[in-house]
Amino acid sequence: NAGVTQTPKFQVLKTGQSMTLQCAQDMNHNSMYWYRQDPGMGLRLIYYSASEGTTDKGEVPNGYNVSRLNKREFSLRLESAAPSQTSVYFCASSEALGGYREQYFGPGTRLTVT
Amino acid sequence: SQQGEEDPQALSIQEGENATMNCSYKTSINNLQWYRQNSGRGLVHLILIRSNEREKHSGRLRVTLDTSKKSSSLLITASRAADTASYFCATDAIQGAQKLVFGQGTRLTINP
Repeated sequence: NAGVTQTPKFQVLKTGQSMTLQCAQDMNHNSMYWYRQDPGMGLRLIYYSASEGTTDKGEVPNGYNVSRLNKREFSLRLESAAPSQTSVYFCASSEALGGYREQYFGPGTRLTVT
Repeated sequence: SQQGEEDPQALSIQEGENATMNCSYKTSINNLQWYRQNSGRGLVHLILIRSNEREKHSGRLRVTLDTSKKSSSLLITASRAADTASYFCATDAIQGAQKLVFGQGTRLTINP
């Protein structure tokens, strides 16, 4: 089992460009998450999907959109990238929502916006 | 705003020593989790402690929870070079308990 996979690993964008970060999990999990991690800070939740067909905003959703394509895949889209979106992005999944659920993380996508 | 805050922000010790990291949070919780992040990698779950538990062990890890002080500690005994990583606590507030909120992390360095 690959667990949670993310593509790409690295990306450099110019301000105003768009891109989609891809995430897939093979653990048959219902819930998926997108976080960003900035230097010296913990992870901040951007969007999450409790189950296939549902998505909800997290703590920092502005400038992002998401799509829960199916149970396995959850993508994050930046429509018009800004330097403030330079960060490392992590996708995670869990069996279901709930603070007692362990989350499994992907390896991250390092994004630089110039 | 962050729910959990770790202390210290950075910790450097000699191999074989014990490492203690602390996490404080602001609102009442149902669960608290600890995660490890090796440099350039994703987070890995270490241990979960529920609000009605006071202490939990897993191998060389010992976690305590004091709900009256809204704080938790993670103790790693007999540290090894491979324990070098950042450690994060994550909490779920009783209201909105579906999601985890992560602290800023403690960067632990184990010197050989």
